[in-house]
Amino acid sequence: EVQLLESGGGLVQPGGSLRLSCAASGFTFSNYAMSWVRQAPGKGLEWVTVISADGGSTYYADSVKGRFTISRDNSKNTLYLQMNSLRVEDTAVYYCAKRMTYSSSWYYLDYWGQGALVTVSS
Amino acid sequence: QSALTQPPSASGSPGQSVTISCTGTSSDIGGYNCVSWYQQHPGKAPKLMTYEVSKRPSGVPDRFSGSKSGNTASLTVSGLQAEDEADYYCSSYAGSNNLVFGGGTKLTVL
Repeated sequence: EVQLLESGGGLVQPGGSLRLSCAASGFTFSNYAMSWVRQAPGKGLEWVTVISADGGSTYYADSVKGRFTISRDNSKNTLYLQMNSLRVEDTAVYYCAKRMTYSSSWYYLDYWGQGALVTVSS
Repeated sequence: QSALTQPPSASGSPGQSVTISCTGTSSDIGGYNCVSWYQQHPGKAPKLMTYEVSKRPSGVPDRFSGSKSGNTASLTVSGLQAEDEADYYCSSYAGSNNLVFGGGTKLTVL
């Protein structure tokens, strides 16, 4: 059974940093691109970033470019999101999500974690 | 990249059909056959319902169907059931390794 478990969320002041982790199990983690998608309270989904299966390629939404860094450790089956220079508008539930099994396209996400809440407030 | 445009709400009675629209531009929906739809129940993670415009992942009922015309994609839910009540989000590849989502539509089963 595929499982994605996020951790590391919490309350941080504007300008601060936080690192999220996503522990994966139930599939061959190193074969799949992984994404982070966020959802502000009561709002819609917003794609944040994606990393290729081998970690060699990363892409970001304009809203987080230069502030957030996605990475992965395939030996530990874990995905990370380093968030720096956090803003109030970054407050959201952050989901990690896996590329769909039967597609080579990273933008179809077939398994999602339950999310980690990040609150940016003074 | 701007979000795709969805109606905030839609509704239908059990057994009826309802269609949710998702409007983008020639830079996203109109430029690629890379539209997907997600279902999200309150407090839960999103679930992939359709991909590549009209394909369904294994386990998704065939009551859910996707389509696209020009810059607008649609999700039709036929034979509405109580458990279909949820938020629905469209998404589209937008080029240059960007993915854009719609604002979401709350589907109410009357």
